Amino acid sequence: EDQVTQSPEALRLQEGESSSLNCSYTVSGLRGLFWYRQDPGKGPEFLFTLYSAGEEKEKERLKATLTKKESFLHITAPKPEDSATYLCAVQAGGFKTIFGAGTRLFVKA
Amino acid sequence: EAGVAQSPRYKIIEKRQSVAFWCNPISGHATLYWYQQILGQGPKLLIQFQNNGVVDDSQLPKDRFSAERLKGVDSTLKIQPAKLEDSAVYLCASSPLGGGRETQYFGPGTRLLVL
Repeated sequence: EDQVTQSPEALRLQEGESSSLNCSYTVSGLRGLFWYRQDPGKGPEFLFTLYSAGEEKEKERLKATLTKKESFLHITAPKPEDSATYLCAVQAGGFKTIFGAGTRLFVKA
Repeated sequence: EAGVAQSPRYKIIEKRQSVAFWCNPISGHATLYWYQQILGQGPKLLIQFQNNGVVDDSQLPKDRFSAERLKGVDSTLKIQPAKLEDSAVYLCASSPLGGGRETQYFGPGTRLLVL
């Protein structure tokens, strides 16, 4: 059964304290792995797409990496405005999109 | 470019009542998705349309949920009758083609509370 698991469920950081969020997956025929950011009361906002193991993408303080079993979202020197829920999603061979439960990130000034 | 539009933004109903949600995707996007997001969980795909045809509705509770996308543009999701466990945010998303590997663009969602 296709599955996406995100850890930790919640993460509390001090401003400037770098860390990583994990997304592990078991799917047949990965077509793409997506990272989204979701603020309270809003829909998910696209961050990155990764297609193959070894691929990396960066945007400001965020960097996403992909292996054959998991993806990491690295946050370097976070700021309070980075506080949000970060969602990981995979598209498998049948084009169905499966989301993880998300990691709630809190960054304190 | 205008984003995905959804209405209403909030809805409160009593159990066994009916409710409908509307979505207008980004102009030109062929694929439209409806997701259910229960508090503290990730979005769960309910139904996926490509133009006005259904691609996947395997997780749609068909005894009470229905959806249509007439003319391949906007879409309506209906719940009849609603149950307490239907309380959730209903998200609509669209993508240009839907052939996989595509970014989905989400609307703000409709928050449903069933009492």
